[in-house]
Amino acid sequence: SQQGEEDPQALSIQEGENATMNCSYKTSINNLQWYRQNSGRGLVHLILIRSNEREKHSGRLRVTLDTSKKSSSLLITASRAADTASYFCATEDRGGAQKLVFGQGTRLTINP
Amino acid sequence: DAMVIQNPRYQVTQFGKPVTLSCSQTLNHNVMYWYQQKSSQAPKLLFHYYDKDFNNEADTPDNFQSRRPNTSFCFLDIRSPGLGDAAMYLCATSRSTGGLQPQHFGDGTRLSIL
Repeated sequence: SQQGEEDPQALSIQEGENATMNCSYKTSINNLQWYRQNSGRGLVHLILIRSNEREKHSGRLRVTLDTSKKSSSLLITASRAADTASYFCATEDRGGAQKLVFGQGTRLTINP
Repeated sequence: DAMVIQNPRYQVTQFGKPVTLSCSQTLNHNVMYWYQQKSSQAPKLLFHYYDKDFNNEADTPDNFQSRRPNTSFCFLDIRSPGLGDAAMYLCATSRSTGGLQPQHFGDGTRLSIL
């Protein structure tokens, strides 16, 4: 089944810097979602971008989608220690399985 | 104001001893999902209910069963847990299926097998 692949697998930056995570997927999609997961907790929905959108903002988050390259990126600006978490992309196949398939995630560490 | 609640947070069981994990929601969502997540891996969908309709994933082992007695509650039963079933089990809900619906997750139950 299709699965997004996040890159990098792990990222460590200093507080205040920007963090960029990438997600690539294999087949055409209807839309793509990003989630955050703090250690030992459930996933929290961050943002959804539809296949006909190229960019979306939410607070310090910016998501881009390039359907020609089958990739998406999540940018967190002015990072904070509280942003330390794993970040997952999730896609729904255009084939219509109507379920989300999650990528392996990027583990982000923000150093104070 | 917790919306998806999973109990217990931590569960220890013995090899082969049946175990039940529970999930409740206050969102009145139609869909409830169960995911299995092993360390540093993606959540893997086991099955979901759309109202009372049960949808099993093709690769979910027969050892895993689910019940949804009403809109608010959903249970995951593992009939004979093996060591490979040790994982975090996540419950999630959404208004309907499909990628336009964000999913709301509980904080999971971490299952250990002795």
